[in-house]
Amino acid sequence: AQKITQTQPGMFVQEKEAVTLDCTYDTSDQSYGLFWYKQPSSGEMIFLIYQGSYDEQNATEGRYSLNFQKARKSANLVISASQLGDSAMYFCAMSRGQGAQKLVFGQGTRLTINP
Amino acid sequence: KAGVTQTPRYLIKTRGQQVTLSCSPISGHRSVSWYQQTPGQGLQFLFEYFSETQRNKGNFPGRFSGRQFSNSRSEMNVSTLELGDSALYLCASSPTSGGWTGELFFGEGSRLTVL
Repeated sequence: AQKITQTQPGMFVQEKEAVTLDCTYDTSDQSYGLFWYKQPSSGEMIFLIYQGSYDEQNATEGRYSLNFQKARKSANLVISASQLGDSAMYFCAMSRGQGAQKLVFGQGTRLTINP
Repeated sequence: KAGVTQTPRYLIKTRGQQVTLSCSPISGHRSVSWYQQTPGQGLQFLFEYFSETQRNKGNFPGRFSGRQFSNSRSEMNVSTLELGDSALYLCASSPTSGGWTGELFFGEGSRLTVL
């Protein structure tokens, strides 16, 4: 069975600082996908970044990068130059195979950016 | 481009009743997935529909069911409601099923309270 673990229930960061959100995963599959989603208070899940298990390069999307360490089974999200609007819940998720429809989510990390 | 639309946004039911939630995916998207989000269990996959066929199903009792129409709109139904069914129900769409490695586009959810 697949499992995602996010060990940081909450994090507080000063505006403009970089922040790393931790995510470790457990799977016996060789092919899988790793995702990060942001959930503001409105409830909508916003896709941030994707990493496939066969991708050799770390994924990057603007201020977001995914630090993928396959041997350690970790997929940490790095947000550079944090902004007040980054305050939200952040969820790490994985899929079986490379498909994105059936996701297993972690418990999330609540990120608060202080001015 | 209109996003994923879920209706109703909020509803209150009593134990034993049934409820139907609706999801209109982004135009052109043929895959619709449903997730349940609760404080205790987090985000859990319910089921996925593609071209009116259920492709995947999560570990939920038979009281939870869904369907998809020819225009890709989807409904989910929960019968004989229990207090534990109180949750945010999120719908997500994507252009295709299986092998899609891009983002899932989520709606803002339907918040169900069971009294």
